[in-house]
Amino acid sequence: SAVISQKPSRDICQRGTSLTIQCQVDSQVTMMFWYRQQPGQSLTLIATANQGSEATYESGFVIDKFPISRPNLTFSTLTVSNMSPEDSSIYLCSVEPSGRDEQYFGPGTRLTVT
Amino acid sequence: AQTVTQSQPEMSVQEAETVTLSCTYDTSESNYYLFWYKQPPSRQMILVIRQEAYKQQNATENRFSVNFQKAAKSFSLKISDSQLGDTAMYFCAFIKAAGNKLTFGGGTRVLVKP
Repeated sequence: SAVISQKPSRDICQRGTSLTIQCQVDSQVTMMFWYRQQPGQSLTLIATANQGSEATYESGFVIDKFPISRPNLTFSTLTVSNMSPEDSSIYLCSVEPSGRDEQYFGPGTRLTVT
Repeated sequence: AQTVTQSQPEMSVQEAETVTLSCTYDTSESNYYLFWYKQPPSRQMILVIRQEAYKQQNATENRFSVNFQKAAKSFSLKISDSQLGDTAMYFCAFIKAAGNKLTFGGGTRVLVKP
């Protein structure tokens, strides 16, 4: 498995502002992922972040709203831009250790937009 | 596209008893993996158990076991000797081999009563 940390663990933000969430893993991994979990819902993949290439976004998610950086093999950031109350969710990062076909999750960031 | 369905939104069980959670999935892939994740109130997603589609033998991890019926596309989780710490949301998830997108079911809330 892998030890994954996220910052911040929670935040309350005003609409129209942006928040950057950090994800740090204790070992080098090729694949990192960002998920959104809306209140009372399941997880939905936002994008896949590979080091050295542009992130790949799922249908319904766009780079202007959720820009992602992946500067190295242990770190990634997700920015939630121009926030509205509908962005209130838990945002989770996950990693896939090479060749395992399974993912391990960070503790999540609980975002509330007022 | 893959879909994962969990038909039981909520279940309760007495401490030390057994509970079984249902999951069905739909896919045209022949090689894939199935998972059960646990999400306690702390919101950390924890990988409970993994099943490779090419294996006929059902996976077990301590008190957790699965009943994998490939032809029926069914993947249930049995929790034996339930403990108070098992209280959580449980998510069934699918990933195709060499893919990177986890598809989650809607979740089942399990409450273990003393």
